[in-house]
Amino acid sequence: SQQGEEDPQALSIQEGENATMNCSYKTSINNLQWYRQNSGRGLVHLILIRSNEREKHSGRLRVTLDTSKKSSSLLITASRAADTASYFCARIQGAQKLVFGQGTRLTINP
Amino acid sequence: EAQVTQNPRYLITVTGKKLTVTCSQNMNHEYMSWYRQDPGLGLRQIYYSMNVEVTDKGDVPEGYKVSRKEKRNFPLILESPSPNQTSLYFCASSNWWADNEQFFGPGTRLTVL
Repeated sequence: SQQGEEDPQALSIQEGENATMNCSYKTSINNLQWYRQNSGRGLVHLILIRSNEREKHSGRLRVTLDTSKKSSSLLITASRAADTASYFCARIQGAQKLVFGQGTRLTINP
Repeated sequence: EAQVTQNPRYLITVTGKKLTVTCSQNMNHEYMSWYRQDPGLGLRQIYYSMNVEVTDKGDVPEGYKVSRKEKRNFPLILESPSPNQTSLYFCASSNWWADNEQFFGPGTRLTVL
């Protein structure tokens, strides 16, 4: 598949716990992006990490990038019910074609 | 308010009846694209456009057409819809390049009977 691989496909945790999801890809990148999608709605941009960055933070979100392993991870700390959503990574393939992973469906249980 | 709008939001149609889904953005973005989202398959890019009169195929362009006559608009055209085009469609735009932050529309849920 030309799409990235994300794992796990689904993740269910208790409120307050941390959630980690991973994204792997096959070709070299300039940057990698993470998006959130609430059920059936449009995607919302979370973080963009460049290939020369190893880690980036935004509030309770922490993204890491390991270009040698061609992988990235998104960590959500102190999860809340409102974090229940699907999370996708995305990167460029070819000229300007943007490809998304299949996503991780995160459920936060109260 | 900066936004991407799509119309219609919901559409039920029949096989073979031509339809157009409109997409408009008010952020003066150069890059616009269309995706379809199907269960278990994630988002797949249909077509993208780098600027006015510049369009290119994504991963799943068969059965779709697009045009970019104005910078703000990027309509998706299904000349002869088929049931396998039943899906959730998203339009997105970004400043200049595909690897900049994408702004997504609210989605169009299409059912082809």
